[in-house]
Amino acid sequence: NAGVTQTPKFQVLKTGQSMTLQCAQDMNHNSMYWYRQDPGMGLRLIYYSASEGTTDKGEVPNGYNVSRLNKREFSLRLESAAPSQTSVYFCASSDFMVNSPLHFGNGTRLTVT
Amino acid sequence: GENVEQHPSTLSVQEGDSAVIKCTYSDSASNYFPWYKQELGKGPQLIIDIRSNVGEKKDQRIAVTLNKTAKHFSLHITETQPEDSAVYFCAAGGPDSGYALNFGKGTSLLVTP
Repeated sequence: NAGVTQTPKFQVLKTGQSMTLQCAQDMNHNSMYWYRQDPGMGLRLIYYSASEGTTDKGEVPNGYNVSRLNKREFSLRLESAAPSQTSVYFCASSDFMVNSPLHFGNGTRLTVT
Repeated sequence: GENVEQHPSTLSVQEGDSAVIKCTYSDSASNYFPWYKQELGKGPQLIIDIRSNVGEKKDQRIAVTLNKTAKHFSLHITETQPEDSAVYFCAAGGPDSGYALNFGKGTSLLVTP
């Protein structure tokens, strides 16, 4: 029972390159989320998927797209990476949106040069 | 939208002392208040949560109190141990945010032997 698995763990991109961050959960959770964590900024919500087949913007969605591939998987895509997207990205899942604890992966550390 | 303020940003205590971290929130409709602990290189992990119909909740050395009138909630850790050293995040969620959690900026707790 792995919980929430994120790949890759580390990535370095050049400005303008694209990449997809992968996330999978094995807890049969309905809701999934992408957060970014920057020093002194806490965790900020990028996108979320309340249930399979739905996605919604969070606080900081610009420059990102998401795909809820199936109930297990939720990917985050950077089409044209910018230095401002240098951050640690966390995927999380929860049983439901309403008042359910989040289970986080161990993060992807992304550097854009 | 919901705004969560967390204080202090850093806290240093001696082993065996108590630690208190405080958070305020702005949206009176928020009704779910979890606390997360993040160790270095890992994702945040839920340690305790409280819902708005409860004023206090305790789990061994950890307790959370909620004052809905004043819109603040606090984390109390008693008999601190070196392994309590980590970054702690409070969060708030409710119907006005689609139940997505908004996080405070975090408190770095150091427990010295």
